[in-house]
Formats: sequence, C-alpha cells, structure tokens
Amino acid sequence: DADVTQTPRNRITKTGKRIMLECSQTKGHDRMYWYRQDPGLGLRLIYYSFDVKDINKGEISDGYSVSRQAQAKFSLSLESAIPNQTALYFCATSDQIAGGLETQYFGPGTRLLVL
Amino acid sequence: RKEVEQDPGPFNVPEGATVAFNCTYSNSASQSFFWYRQDCRKEPKLLMSVYSSGNEDGRFTAQLNRASQYISLLIRDSKLSDSATYLCVVNILRTGNQFYFGTGTSLTVIP
Repeated sequence: DADVTQTPRNRITKTGKRIMLECSQTKGHDRMYWYRQDPGLGLRLIYYSFDVKDINKGEISDGYSVSRQAQAKFSLSLESAIPNQTALYFCATSDQIAGGLETQYFGPGTRLLVL
Repeated sequence: RKEVEQDPGPFNVPEGATVAFNCTYSNSASQSFFWYRQDCRKEPKLLMSVYSSGNEDGRFTAQLNRASQYISLLIRDSKLSDSATYLCVVNILRTGNQFYFGTGTSLTVIP
C-alpha cells in the first residue's frame, strides 16, 4: 500500500466551484506539504504544516486554503476554482531526522482541470 | 531570481553514454540538497541526497560545490530506464524550512 495517498486522482470542475483535495499518510510524519506543478514552472509550494496546530503559507497560497485534520491528513481547498488553477497537485510528507536532513515523500498526484 | 535553476534540456543520449546535469542555487543559506527523479505524469521520487563531500550510488554520482553554489548529477552507462526528468531540490533553513525545486532536466536514453 502507498504511504501517501491522494484523492481524487483526477477531477474536472467548473469555474466558481469549491473543491477539496485530500491527502493521507501512513508514514507517521509530522510535516506535510501541498504543491502544484505546471509545465515549465516546476513544483511550487502552496501550503505546509509542521504539525496539527501549525499551518503556513507557501509561495502561491492565494486562492487556496488548507486544513490539517490530524497528523495523517492534510486537505487542500480551492474556495472558488478558476481556470489558471488547472494543474497537477502533489501532497508530500517529511520528517526531520538526525543531522537535520529531511527527505520528502510524494503522493501520486491529483490532476485538476478547471473549465 | 529563482532559488534553483536547471538546464531544462532535453538531453538525448545513446545507451551506455555518460551524461551530466548541473543545477545552481541562489541562496547561500541552503542547507540540504537532493536529486529527485520524476517519470512522466508521476510523482517525484528521491534519487539521492547530495553531501558536501560528494557521493555515489551505483552509476549515479552527485557533487556539491558550495563556493560556486552548484550541484551536479553524473549518470554513467545510461540505461533506457534512466529516461525521466531529474529535479534538483534545495532545502533552505530559514523560517519555514522550505524545499525549492528546479524545473527539471529531461533525459531520454535512446537505444
């Protein structure tokens, strides 16, 4: 079974709709992240959370919100979807290990199309 | 200025060739460095961390040059299965401890 799962895997929605992307992990990591990937732009950080009570904005948080319901769950919401939010969305987890080196582990991605 | 810059390629090389990718980073406070591999329409997966002294994992060698702020990845004896996009990733220890990704370098190994 995958350690980091995302639902849905694909989603088509219309402009103005509210949608939620969900992420769950069984790795026991405290840190969770949401990224979007666009061609030619690489991965860009939307929000991140270092524990259940800690939520931080990333590089491109406008138009998005998140909820950390539990250590294992981190949801991303688009309050009112717009076409330029069409992208591939990845959830990731990480945990700080001895020596300070962290590694990120990614979910399989959610492909979102906003019409 | 982008935190991490990579040559997007594409690199098209024959099987058995040696290929090298470079990546530059702009923030001297960068703490940790990684190469990730991403197959088409899939999630990025860690290929290797990059240590100050350089490190090797089979056919893959990673180097870090802090003075010049660049990271390299060398792939020897390329295989068809090495075809993918390679992402350079930097972790900066400041408020947020965020990861910054390059746009990736595309590699196609040709039979």
